[in-house]
Amino acid sequence: KQEVTQIPAALSVPEGENLVLNCSFTDSAIYNLQWFRQDPGKGLTSLLLIQSSQREQTSGRLNASLDKSSGRSTLYIAASQPGDSATYLCAVNMEYGNKLVFGAGTILRVKS
Amino acid sequence: DAGVIQSPRHEVTEMGQEVTLRCKPISGHDYLFWYRQTMMRGLELLIYFNNNVPIDDSGMPEDRFSAKMPNASFSTLKIQPSEPRDSAVYFCASRDLTADTQYFGPGTRLTVL
Repeated sequence: KQEVTQIPAALSVPEGENLVLNCSFTDSAIYNLQWFRQDPGKGLTSLLLIQSSQREQTSGRLNASLDKSSGRSTLYIAASQPGDSATYLCAVNMEYGNKLVFGAGTILRVKS
Repeated sequence: DAGVIQSPRHEVTEMGQEVTLRCKPISGHDYLFWYRQTMMRGLELLIYFNNNVPIDDSGMPEDRFSAKMPNASFSTLKIQPSEPRDSAVYFCASRDLTADTQYFGPGTRLTVL
């Protein structure tokens, strides 16, 4: 059974810092990996999707890497801003587009 | 597009009552998913549909839970009878056949007293 772990569970940083969120998974037979953002009282928003054949994806200040063989992914946020405060969820896709297994998330707070 | 629409946004009910949650997927999307999020178990897939047909309901916790998709623009998740441990946020998501990404609705926060 696939298990996804995210570290740290919570993180508080001053504005402007670069930070890294970690995700690990136990079964490397994945189709892709996604990072989502969840704001209080709202649904999830997809930030980045990395196919199993890819090593990384970038979008603006966000960069996600994937090491499928070791079962790890990182989300790098550059020059953090208070608006980045949210819960970040990592999810691995066990079946094309359909079987997402989520980690528990990292609660990020960026202080101004 | 308005995105995935869920109703109600909040539901408070008493143990033993029937609860019906509703979802309207993004127009044209072929897949619809129901998830449940709790502090203890995180975000879990309950069931998903392809072209209105249930494909995998292995995540449905008990027979008290049922889901239907009578047409391409509407789905329901029903709990009967409800129990306090069903209290959670229930999310609906949809996906286009040609894309990997699922689009999530804002969720329904269910409280069973």
